[in-house]
Amino acid sequence: GAGVSQTPSNKVTEKGKYVELRCDPISGHTALYWYRQSLGQGPEFLIYFQGTGAADDSGLPNDRFFAVRPEGSVSTLKIQRTERGDSAVYLCASSSRQGVGTQYFGPGTRLTVL
Amino acid sequence: GQQLNQSPQSMFIQEGEDVSMNCTSSSIFNTWLWYKQDPGEGPVLLIALYKAGELTSNGRLTAQFGITRKDSFLNISASIPSDVGIYFCAGLEGQGFSFIFGKGTRLLVKP
Repeated sequence: GAGVSQTPSNKVTEKGKYVELRCDPISGHTALYWYRQSLGQGPEFLIYFQGTGAADDSGLPNDRFFAVRPEGSVSTLKIQRTERGDSAVYLCASSSRQGVGTQYFGPGTRLTVL
Repeated sequence: GQQLNQSPQSMFIQEGEDVSMNCTSSSIFNTWLWYKQDPGEGPVLLIALYKAGELTSNGRLTAQFGITRKDSFLNISASIPSDVGIYFCAGLEGQGFSFIFGKGTRLLVKP
């Protein structure tokens, strides 16, 4: 497809479980971002990849959150020992310009931690 | 930390009316972006601004990057029902990569 895709669209898990959220960016886009959006709020920056490396992970809330992008395309956001407060929509965006640029968002993964 | 204030929080207007919303920041931004988000979807980019004073239009939408670099506004002219949604501003400070988003303006249009 032409846009950013994210899977799954919805994920329900129990407190303490491990989850992985996947993002497929637009083909050829070197920059990839993860955001978290809580109800009634704007997206909150988590991490930015330029190619395979995390250029800025200052938004990750704690060490339970980790993200990888091993081949510079698909990225996976990993959350260990999930907590109820992790419930949110996790958005991925990609850009064709390094750093500053126009970001194209995926539809998000809605994570619910019971 | 950085603060981004977006107002108004919500607007309920009559079809055909013009709309104005704005964002202000506590620090200088180098880039301002305006997005629209529909329920269950990711935000869609409307306008990107890269220079202080820049005024850019996209159809019925017009946005400006404030001269002080601490504010931006978005205007929508002659609103139509499909303009309904949540509008977000986002700013980028310095040479970083972490865009900061406002809390959004919810727009409702009465036919």
